[in-house]
Amino acid sequence: GQNIDQPTEMTATEGAIVQINCTYQTSGFNGLFWYQQHAGEAPTFLSYNVLDGLEEKGRFSSFLSRSKGYSYLLLKELQMKDSASYLCAVWSGGYQKVTFGTGTKLQVIP
Amino acid sequence: DVKVTQSSRYLVKRTGEKVFLECVQDMDHENMFWYRQDPGLGLRLIYFSYDVKMKEKGDIPEGYSVSREKKERFSLILESASTNQTSMYLCASSFTNLEGTGYEQYFGPGTRLTVT
Repeated sequence: GQNIDQPTEMTATEGAIVQINCTYQTSGFNGLFWYQQHAGEAPTFLSYNVLDGLEEKGRFSSFLSRSKGYSYLLLKELQMKDSASYLCAVWSGGYQKVTFGTGTKLQVIP
Repeated sequence: DVKVTQSSRYLVKRTGEKVFLECVQDMDHENMFWYRQDPGLGLRLIYFSYDVKMKEKGDIPEGYSVSREKKERFSLILESASTNQTSMYLCASSFTNLEGTGYEQYFGPGTRLTVT
């Protein structure tokens, strides 16, 4: 089966750095996605990792360790608009079927 | 600009009714997906389609069926709606390149379905 774990909630201060972890146990692995979802809105794509290491995209970075079944999303210089849920999703089969974690709700406080 | 649209933002139906949720994408994507999202359970895949008239069961297909007669349109059907199908339904689409590498999914705005 597929199992993806993320913390349920996190709180961080505006201007700070926060790391959201994701661990997974899946039958097979093709790649890992991170999505952002603001309350009442649809998820939007943030990053995709297929090889080990860090991928940087502006204030957001995503890290992957395939041997450890582990990823994290790093958000720097936090802004109030970063308050959202962050979803980890693993692509581990044929076609484009992915399995989503339950998401981490991040609250950014002044 | 990439666009996935869903037929309704809010829908209220009665138990036992047949319900149709429509999704249209304008990106010529091969893959389309239907999810439901519930608090504490996250996004769960109901069905997906990788080509016209092709469909695959996701993790929770029971009580649902789908139809994909045209590439841009993917319909989710609740054959006989029940109260436990009250949920947020999200449609998504994605592209497949020749190498089969992963591409992000683009989501529609969602349909909040209430079954009473």
